[in-house]
Amino acid sequence: DTEVTQTPKHLVMGMTNKKSLKCEQHMGHRAMYWYKQKAKKPPELMFVYSYEKLSINESVPSRFSPECPNSSLLNLHLHALQPEDSALYLCASRLRGWAGLEVFYNEQFFGPGTRLTVL
Amino acid sequence: SQQGEEDPQALSIQEGENATMNCSYKTSINNLQWYRQNSGRGLVHLILIRSNEREKHSGRLRVTLDTSKKSSSLLITASRAADTASYFCATIPQGTEKLVFGKGTKLTVNP
Repeated sequence: DTEVTQTPKHLVMGMTNKKSLKCEQHMGHRAMYWYKQKAKKPPELMFVYSYEKLSINESVPSRFSPECPNSSLLNLHLHALQPEDSALYLCASRLRGWAGLEVFYNEQFFGPGTRLTVL
Repeated sequence: SQQGEEDPQALSIQEGENATMNCSYKTSINNLQWYRQNSGRGLVHLILIRSNEREKHSGRLRVTLDTSKKSSSLLITASRAADTASYFCATIPQGTEKLVFGKGTKLTVNP
């Protein structure tokens, strides 16, 4: 299994709703990522989990709450979002590798994304 | 924050022609990667070149890296309509594990 799955594919929510995005991989990757991508823009990093622990938070507003319950799952909990949060949310994973004694930053595997619309 | 800048922003060619996209970046890097994204979908990794490599090939793809100029190029030879997509370079700045994307090049290959 060499894919990253994301559910749902599409999500429409109101500003008072609470919803969650789900990401799953079974490749044994221990680094997982959330990205936000607006139309015609590159993906922007939101969060990085390394060995199920949050290692990077790119100053993301608290209305986005990540969770990594185990090594295969990554969730993004959404609450009180704004219309400007509408975007494609991408999950990715990476096998943490080594080149000799140095960490090797190999490629990331991306899911198909969740298209989020906030009304 | 963006690390890479792709050039051109958009490229339209005929099937069978070669497509060249360039990328410049700002800081020292661990490696540079190229990704492809079909409209509104996830990204697919194409090729990775380490900071100590100068050129790499994969099928119809050829990537070069010039660390002295902080630039890279992606060449797609004998393009096909199915190559139509956005192409992003992405770097891992040294000392971080962040993947930082450039603005991307939108490639259109006309049949």
